[in-house]
Amino acid sequence: AQRVTQPEKLLSVFKGAPVELKCNYSYSGSPELFWYVQYSRQRLQLLLRHISRESIKGFTADLNKGETSFHLKKPFAQEEDSAMYYCAPTGSASKIIFGSGTRLSIRP
Amino acid sequence: EAGVAQSPRYKIIEKRQSVAFWCNPISGHATLYWYQQILGQGPKLLIQFQNNGVVDDSQLPKDRFSAERLKGVDSTLKIQPAKLEDSAVYLCASSLGGGRETQYFGPGTRLLVL
Repeated sequence: AQRVTQPEKLLSVFKGAPVELKCNYSYSGSPELFWYVQYSRQRLQLLLRHISRESIKGFTADLNKGETSFHLKKPFAQEEDSAMYYCAPTGSASKIIFGSGTRLSIRP
Repeated sequence: EAGVAQSPRYKIIEKRQSVAFWCNPISGHATLYWYQQILGQGPKLLIQFQNNGVVDDSQLPKDRFSAERLKGVDSTLKIQPAKLEDSAVYLCASSLGGGRETQYFGPGTRLLVL
């Protein structure tokens, strides 16, 4: 069965500390991998997608096909990074599954 | 560029009543999605349209939920009759092409069933 796991419901780090939000997936084929973010009182929006290989707001995500993981990383957290983050693999036949999300809280 | 529009933003109904949500996607976007997001969970895909055809409705509770996308533009999602467990945020999203492309989300409709 296709599945995506975000093991941390809440992650709290100090400003300036490194951040890593974990995402593991179980998917047939080669899914396209996305991270979406929802800031307080805003819409869910794209943070980054694997295929574009862009770094958005200092975040990057490395695909590890062996471990089937797509962890989101940032070397130095900022207060404005506090938000809800969702990992969303999209597989063949456009099957889309969102993870349960990780709430990132940055402490000043 | 105008974003995805949804209405109403909030709705409170009693169980066994019916309710309908409306979505207007970004102009030119062929694919439209409806998601249900229960508190504390990620969005769950209910139905995906490509133009006015259904691509995936495997998780839509068809005994009470229905959706249509007439003329391949606007869409409505209906619940009849509503149950307590339908209390959730209903999100509409659209993308230019198929499901492997970036999705743009609306603000959502928050439904409370009493």
